[in-house]
Amino acid sequence: SAVISQKPSRDICQRGTSLTIQCQVDSQVTMMFWYRQQPGQSLTLIATANQGSEATYESGFVIDKFPISRPNLTFSTLTVSNMSPEDSSIYLCSVEGGWSNYGYTFGSGTRLTVV
Amino acid sequence: GNSVTQMEGPVTLSEEAFLTINCTYTATGYPSLFWYVQYPGEGLQLLLKATKADDKGSNKGFEATYRKETTSFHLEKGSVQVSDSAVYFCALNAGGTSYGKLTFGQGTILTVHP
Repeated sequence: SAVISQKPSRDICQRGTSLTIQCQVDSQVTMMFWYRQQPGQSLTLIATANQGSEATYESGFVIDKFPISRPNLTFSTLTVSNMSPEDSSIYLCSVEGGWSNYGYTFGSGTRLTVV
Repeated sequence: GNSVTQMEGPVTLSEEAFLTINCTYTATGYPSLFWYVQYPGEGLQLLLKATKADDKGSNKGFEATYRKETTSFHLEKGSVQVSDSAVYFCALNAGGTSYGKLTFGQGTILTVHP
Protein backbone atom coordinates (compact mmCIF):
# COMPACT_ATOMS: atom_id res chain seq x y z
CA SER A 1 0.00 0.00 0.00
CA ALA A 2 0.97 3.64 -0.38
CA VAL A 3 2.94 5.33 2.37
CA ILE A 4 1.95 8.87 3.29
CA SER A 5 4.13 11.38 5.10
CA GLN A 6 2.13 14.17 6.63
CA LYS A 7 3.49 17.23 8.39
CA PRO A 8 3.45 18.93 10.72
CA SER A 9 2.28 16.27 13.14
CA ARG A 10 0.92 18.91 15.48
CA ASP A 11 0.86 22.65 15.91
CA ILE A 12 -0.52 25.31 18.19
CA CYS A 13 -1.57 28.43 16.32
CA GLN A 14 -2.92 31.85 17.13
CA ARG A 15 -6.41 32.71 15.99
CA GLY A 16 -6.51 34.68 12.76
CA THR A 17 -3.41 33.01 11.33
CA SER A 18 -3.14 30.26 8.71
CA LEU A 19 -1.49 26.85 8.71
CA THR A 20 -0.48 24.78 5.70
CA ILE A 21 -0.43 21.00 6.06
CA GLN A 22 1.57 18.90 3.64
CA CYS A 23 1.07 15.34 2.43
CA GLN A 24 3.68 13.46 0.46
CA VAL A 25 2.91 10.03 -1.03
CA ASP A 26 5.56 7.53 -2.05
CA SER A 27 3.76 6.66 -5.29
CA GLN A 28 1.69 8.49 -7.88
CA VAL A 29 -2.01 8.65 -7.11
CA THR A 30 -4.85 10.22 -9.04
CA MET A 31 -6.94 11.42 -6.12
CA MET A 32 -6.04 12.63 -2.66
CA PHE A 33 -8.59 13.30 0.04
CA TRP A 34 -8.56 15.62 3.03
CA TYR A 35 -10.55 14.82 6.17
CA ARG A 36 -11.21 16.61 9.44
CA GLN A 37 -11.71 14.89 12.80
CA GLN A 38 -13.07 17.25 15.38
CA PRO A 39 -12.45 16.39 19.05
CA GLY A 40 -14.30 13.23 20.01
CA GLN A 41 -15.96 13.05 16.61
CA SER A 42 -15.74 10.94 13.50
CA LEU A 43 -14.00 11.88 10.28
CA THR A 44 -15.63 14.22 7.77
CA LEU A 45 -14.43 14.62 4.21
CA ILE A 46 -13.36 18.18 3.42
CA ALA A 47 -12.42 17.90 -0.24
CA THR A 48 -11.03 15.76 -3.02
CA ALA A 49 -7.85 16.95 -4.74
CA ASN A 50 -7.03 15.90 -8.30
CA GLN A 51 -3.83 16.91 -9.99
CA GLY A 52 -4.34 19.59 -12.62
CA SER A 53 -7.80 20.67 -11.55
CA GLU A 54 -9.47 22.56 -8.74
CA ALA A 55 -10.34 20.63 -5.64
CA THR A 56 -13.91 19.50 -5.12
CA TYR A 57 -15.32 20.56 -1.75
CA GLU A 58 -17.98 18.83 0.30
CA SER A 59 -20.98 20.64 1.63
CA GLY A 60 -20.05 22.97 4.46
CA PHE A 61 -16.46 23.49 3.32
CA VAL A 62 -15.29 26.34 1.08
CA ILE A 63 -12.13 27.09 -0.83
CA ASP A 64 -11.53 30.42 0.87
CA LYS A 65 -11.31 28.69 4.25
CA PHE A 66 -9.53 25.50 3.13
CA PRO A 67 -7.51 26.20 -0.03
CA ILE A 68 -5.89 23.08 -1.46
CA SER A 69 -3.01 22.67 -3.85
CA ARG A 70 -2.15 19.57 -5.89
CA PRO A 71 0.92 20.43 -7.96
CA ASN A 72 1.77 16.82 -8.90
CA LEU A 73 0.67 13.22 -8.45
CA THR A 74 2.54 12.66 -5.17
CA PHE A 75 1.94 15.84 -3.19
CA SER A 76 -0.86 18.01 -1.82
CA THR A 77 -1.31 20.77 0.72
CA LEU A 78 -4.30 21.90 2.75
CA THR A 79 -4.32 25.37 4.28
CA VAL A 80 -6.56 26.22 7.19
CA SER A 81 -7.09 29.97 6.85
CA ASN A 82 -8.01 32.68 9.32
CA MET A 83 -8.19 30.13 12.10
CA SER A 84 -10.52 30.20 15.07
CA PRO A 85 -10.68 27.82 18.07
CA GLU A 86 -13.45 25.92 16.25
CA ASP A 87 -10.83 24.80 13.72
CA SER A 88 -9.02 22.82 16.41
CA SER A 89 -9.11 19.30 14.98
CA ILE A 90 -7.04 16.52 13.53
CA TYR A 91 -6.60 16.91 9.78
CA LEU A 92 -5.79 13.82 7.75
CA CYS A 93 -4.98 13.15 4.14
CA SER A 94 -5.87 9.90 2.43
CA VAL A 95 -5.22 8.15 -0.84
CA GLU A 96 -6.76 5.18 -2.55
CA GLY A 97 -4.79 2.00 -1.95
CA GLY A 98 -6.34 -0.05 -4.72
CA TRP A 99 -8.75 -2.93 -4.47
CA SER A 100 -6.09 -5.59 -4.45
CA ASN A 101 -4.21 -3.75 -1.81
CA TYR A 102 -5.10 -2.38 1.57
CA GLY A 103 -8.06 -0.11 0.94
CA TYR A 104 -7.64 3.55 1.63
CA THR A 105 -4.50 4.69 3.38
CA PHE A 106 -4.34 7.62 5.77
CA GLY A 107 -1.55 9.89 6.85
CA SER A 108 -0.74 10.05 10.53
CA GLY A 109 -2.66 13.29 10.88
CA THR A 110 -1.98 16.86 11.96
CA ARG A 111 -3.29 17.76 15.39
CA LEU A 112 -4.12 21.47 15.28
CA THR A 113 -4.92 23.55 18.35
CA VAL A 114 -6.01 27.15 17.84
CA VAL A 115 -5.66 29.45 20.83
CA GLY B 1 -27.38 9.80 1.06
CA ASN B 2 -24.86 7.36 2.43
CA SER B 3 -24.55 6.86 6.16
CA VAL B 4 -22.99 4.55 8.73
CA THR B 5 -24.32 3.93 12.23
CA GLN B 6 -22.22 2.31 14.94
CA MET B 7 -23.26 1.10 18.34
CA GLU B 8 -22.99 3.61 21.12
CA GLY B 9 -19.85 3.48 23.18
CA PRO B 10 -17.73 3.39 25.09
CA VAL B 11 -17.32 -0.36 25.41
CA THR B 12 -15.41 -1.70 28.39
CA LEU B 13 -14.34 -5.35 28.53
CA SER B 14 -12.07 -7.58 30.50
CA GLU B 15 -9.16 -9.26 28.76
CA GLU B 16 -10.15 -12.44 26.86
CA ALA B 17 -13.79 -11.36 26.60
CA PHE B 18 -15.73 -11.60 23.35
CA LEU B 19 -16.16 -8.37 21.41
CA THR B 20 -18.93 -7.26 19.10
CA ILE B 21 -19.24 -3.74 17.73
CA ASN B 22 -22.35 -3.30 15.64
CA CYS B 23 -22.33 -1.38 12.37
CA THR B 24 -25.18 -0.80 9.95
CA TYR B 25 -25.17 1.24 6.81
CA THR B 26 -27.36 2.99 4.28
CA ALA B 27 -26.10 3.31 0.75
CA THR B 28 -27.23 3.10 -2.83
CA GLY B 29 -25.79 0.32 -4.92
CA TYR B 30 -23.16 -2.03 -3.56
CA PRO B 31 -20.73 -0.26 -1.27
CA SER B 32 -17.41 -1.54 0.00
CA LEU B 33 -17.18 -1.72 3.77
CA PHE B 34 -14.26 -1.11 6.09
CA TRP B 35 -13.23 -1.15 9.70
CA TYR B 36 -10.52 1.29 10.73
CA VAL B 37 -8.76 1.47 14.09
CA GLN B 38 -7.20 4.49 15.79
CA TYR B 39 -4.87 3.72 18.66
CA PRO B 40 -4.27 6.44 21.25
CA GLY B 41 -2.26 9.29 19.77
CA GLU B 42 -1.94 7.63 16.39
CA GLY B 43 -3.45 7.94 12.94
CA LEU B 44 -6.06 5.79 11.28
CA GLN B 45 -5.18 2.24 10.23
CA LEU B 46 -7.19 -0.08 8.04
CA LEU B 47 -8.18 -3.14 10.07
CA LEU B 48 -10.19 -5.10 7.52
CA LYS B 49 -12.43 -4.69 4.52
CA ALA B 50 -15.09 -6.47 2.43
CA THR B 51 -16.05 -5.50 -1.07
CA LYS B 52 -19.14 -7.61 -1.79
CA ALA B 53 -22.01 -9.35 -0.07
CA ASP B 54 -21.10 -12.36 2.11
CA ASP B 55 -17.40 -11.47 2.04
CA LYS B 56 -15.66 -11.88 5.37
CA GLY B 57 -12.82 -9.54 6.19
CA SER B 58 -10.35 -10.63 8.84
CA ASN B 59 -7.14 -9.37 10.41
CA LYS B 60 -5.40 -9.67 13.78
CA GLY B 61 -8.16 -11.95 15.12
CA PHE B 62 -10.91 -9.49 14.14
CA GLU B 63 -13.63 -10.49 11.69
CA ALA B 64 -16.59 -8.84 10.00
CA THR B 65 -19.02 -10.25 7.44
CA TYR B 66 -20.74 -8.11 4.81
CA ARG B 67 -24.47 -8.83 5.24
CA LYS B 68 -26.44 -7.18 2.51
CA GLU B 69 -29.81 -8.49 3.71
CA THR B 70 -29.38 -6.74 7.05
CA THR B 71 -27.09 -3.93 5.73
CA SER B 72 -24.64 -4.74 8.49
CA PHE B 73 -20.90 -5.21 8.98
CA HIS B 74 -20.46 -6.07 12.65
CA LEU B 75 -16.94 -6.34 14.04
CA GLU B 76 -16.11 -9.35 16.24
CA LYS B 77 -13.15 -10.74 18.10
CA GLY B 78 -13.19 -13.87 20.15
CA SER B 79 -10.71 -12.84 22.83
CA VAL B 80 -9.68 -9.21 23.25
CA GLN B 81 -6.38 -8.02 24.66
CA VAL B 82 -5.43 -4.85 26.49
CA SER B 83 -3.57 -3.79 23.36
CA ASP B 84 -6.89 -3.73 21.45
CA SER B 85 -7.93 -0.63 23.38
CA ALA B 86 -8.58 1.96 20.68
CA VAL B 87 -11.31 3.74 18.75
CA TYR B 88 -12.93 1.66 16.01
CA PHE B 89 -14.57 3.24 12.97
CA CYS B 90 -16.88 1.54 10.50
CA ALA B 91 -16.83 3.12 7.05
CA LEU B 92 -18.17 2.64 3.57
CA ASN B 93 -17.29 3.66 0.07
CA ALA B 94 -20.24 3.81 -2.28
CA GLY B 95 -18.18 3.62 -5.47
CA GLY B 96 -19.18 5.31 -8.71
CA THR B 97 -18.80 9.07 -8.41
CA SER B 98 -18.01 8.55 -4.71
CA TYR B 99 -14.93 6.51 -5.56
CA GLY B 100 -12.28 7.05 -2.94
CA LYS B 101 -14.54 8.93 -0.54
CA LEU B 102 -15.23 7.25 2.75
CA THR B 103 -18.28 7.81 4.91
CA PHE B 104 -17.50 7.06 8.56
CA GLY B 105 -19.56 6.03 11.53
CA GLN B 106 -19.20 7.96 14.76
CA GLY B 107 -16.58 5.64 16.20
CA THR B 108 -16.69 3.29 19.18
CA ILE B 109 -14.22 3.61 22.02
CA LEU B 110 -13.04 0.21 23.30
CA THR B 111 -11.24 -0.13 26.61
CA VAL B 112 -9.91 -3.53 27.66
CA HIS B 113 -8.89 -4.06 31.28
CA PRO B 114 -6.41 -6.73 32.45
